[in-house]
Amino acid sequence: NAGVTQTPKFRILKIGQSMTLQCTQDMNHNYMYWYRQDPGMGLKLIYYSVGAGITDKGEVPNGYNVSRSTTEDFPLRLELAAPSQTSVYFCASSIAPLNTEAFFGQGTRLTVV
Amino acid sequence: QKEVEQNSGPLSVPEGAIASLNCTYSDRGSQSFFWYRQYSGKSPELIMFIYSNGDKEDGRFTAQLNKASQYVSLLIRDSQPSDSATYLCACSGGGADGLTFGKGTHLIIQP
Repeated sequence: NAGVTQTPKFRILKIGQSMTLQCTQDMNHNYMYWYRQDPGMGLKLIYYSVGAGITDKGEVPNGYNVSRSTTEDFPLRLELAAPSQTSVYFCASSIAPLNTEAFFGQGTRLTVV
Repeated sequence: QKEVEQNSGPLSVPEGAIASLNCTYSDRGSQSFFWYRQYSGKSPELIMFIYSNGDKEDGRFTAQLNKASQYVSLLIRDSQPSDSATYLCACSGGGADGLTFGKGTHLIIQP
């Protein structure tokens, strides 16, 4: 059982470049989330989805976009990368929003130079 | 704005002692509360969650919740060096936007 899989694990981008962070889960969870974690900080919610075709903004959505065409996949798109987007990105999924565990992927460490 | 506050530490505890980690939250609508452990360079992993006032025990871990004081704590008994990590407190109001995290407390267990 793979759980939540993120790719790539590491990436260096130049300012202005774009990229997509991939996230796949095999647990048939409806709820999926993208968080970013800056050094010494907690996780901040970027976007979330309650099911295929439904997404919504979290606390820090600027500079990012998402899509959810299937239950399994929830890619995060960075357009026009900026140094402020240097962070560790975590994708997570859960079966429900309350009283259940959120399972996290291994994270993507992104550096924008 | 929902906020979760934790002392960032580091909190240094001798091996075998009890480690006490604390967390306060601002949203009175929060319904469930989670403790995640995160090793350096790794993803968070769930230790336990609690949603009723009082204590919940799981092995060496005890979570305590006081909704009137908006306070959550995690006790780790018989602390081991492998418990050295950052502990993230998180709250959920049950909304689809999931968890609000604190910044975490860095715990160091001294052999």
